Amino acid sequence: GESVGLHLPTLSVQEGDNSIINCAYSNSASDYFIWYKQESGKGPQFIIDIRSNMDKRQGQRVTVLLNKTVKHLSLQIAATQPGDSAVYFCAELRMNRDDKIIFGKGTRLHILP
Amino acid sequence: NAGVTQTPKFRVLKTGQSMTLLCAQDMNHEYMYWYRQDPGMGLRLIHYSVGEGTTAKGEVPDGYNVSRLKKQNFLLGLESAAPSQTSVYFCASSRWRSTDTQYFGPGTRLTVL
Repeated sequence: GESVGLHLPTLSVQEGDNSIINCAYSNSASDYFIWYKQESGKGPQFIIDIRSNMDKRQGQRVTVLLNKTVKHLSLQIAATQPGDSAVYFCAELRMNRDDKIIFGKGTRLHILP
Repeated sequence: NAGVTQTPKFRVLKTGQSMTLLCAQDMNHEYMYWYRQDPGMGLRLIHYSVGEGTTAKGEVPDGYNVSRLKKQNFLLGLESAAPSQTSVYFCASSRWRSTDTQYFGPGTRLTVL
């Protein structure tokens, strides 16, 4: 997600509902994408990745969708739980170039009881 | 395995002071990275290393130096700290290249007065 000034965009979701977190990536040449989860006071943690030759990939309770036409990535979390509260970052890189990952600014997911 | 550890967890410096942040990983990873995280800015790569004895500049290298004398350790140095270096610093490692999962440390919160 894109940041607004110094504040992260926040998504509030009822516990048990599905969450969809969006990310607009910057480089049309990027061919590998990753979602990270960062809980308060901790370092980022890998969730799921996807290569540009795919448009969908599923993990446990998570699905990543890739739309290369509009340079858009989304993370869907099924049956959101309190432990899903965190900041979620998308990241992009070009696998055969300089290997430097570019991180998005993050979206805060807030779970409502 | 402890994974990736960082020392110290918190530090307050005065402008002009120097310090070294230590990152250690016990996963025998080749690649190591230093990032800084600022509000609304996401993670930005400072320096990285593709193996023992190697270092390379990332996106925001100015004001920092690094060394990788041992495979398991990656040191980040600030020779003359400035208030603009107030940030949370994360170290990460990956088995080989950036497309391998990056494992992050818990972070170091640095304040420069």
